[in-house]
Amino acid sequence: QSALTQPASVSGSPGQSITISCSGTSSDVGSYDYVSWFQQHPGEAPKLMISDVNKRPSGVSNRFSGSKFGNKASLTISGLQAEDEADYYCCSFTSSNTWVFGGGTKLTVL
Amino acid sequence: EVQLVESGGGLAQPGGSLRLSCAASGFTFSIYDMHWVRQVTGKGLEWVSGIATGADTYYSDSVKGRFTISRENAKSSFYLQMDSLRAGDTAVYYCARENYGNFDYWGQGILVSVSS
Repeated sequence: QSALTQPASVSGSPGQSITISCSGTSSDVGSYDYVSWFQQHPGEAPKLMISDVNKRPSGVSNRFSGSKFGNKASLTISGLQAEDEADYYCCSFTSSNTWVFGGGTKLTVL
Repeated sequence: EVQLVESGGGLAQPGGSLRLSCAASGFTFSIYDMHWVRQVTGKGLEWVSGIATGADTYYSDSVKGRFTISRENAKSSFYLQMDSLRAGDTAVYYCARENYGNFDYWGQGILVSVSS
């Protein structure tokens, strides 16, 4: 199972919006709504930011939103803040009853 | 409060074994699928293995045949027996709870190093 494809890095200025893409296949992202996004700060465990393509767990800012079209999912962060600087990972269930993560995207807030 | 605490990591020789444990608290452990995810230092996340409530087990191709996941509901714990360890298994290992298809709680992670 190959990793989902994410850009290695994205950047934006405070207040701006950015979008991180996550490309999969018809065997994972394209077939299931079990697509999630995680935020990870250095030295910390990943934190669930988006579940089921576009749902925000309790306590997650509404500046974070998710979407999916075909085999590609996206995470959008609006009104960028300094504390959003972190690594972001997408994740999907697969037709093999396994899970696959994206390679990760480093977000830099300029 | 949901808590997941890993233990059992450390240094092992190539070809050796280690057993990781994850102790859960703050929720009804028996009704959740549980997973292990690992992360090589400076690299991305990799799903390793999962165990369902009915004890069905699932593995990534990279560990199939070498790692065994199990659970003990009476102790609210699950485990990862790692045999035939390789240098490439060196990573921080996280345990995570799956909630309807999403990993909603994670442990703090534990380091496994495989080196001679």
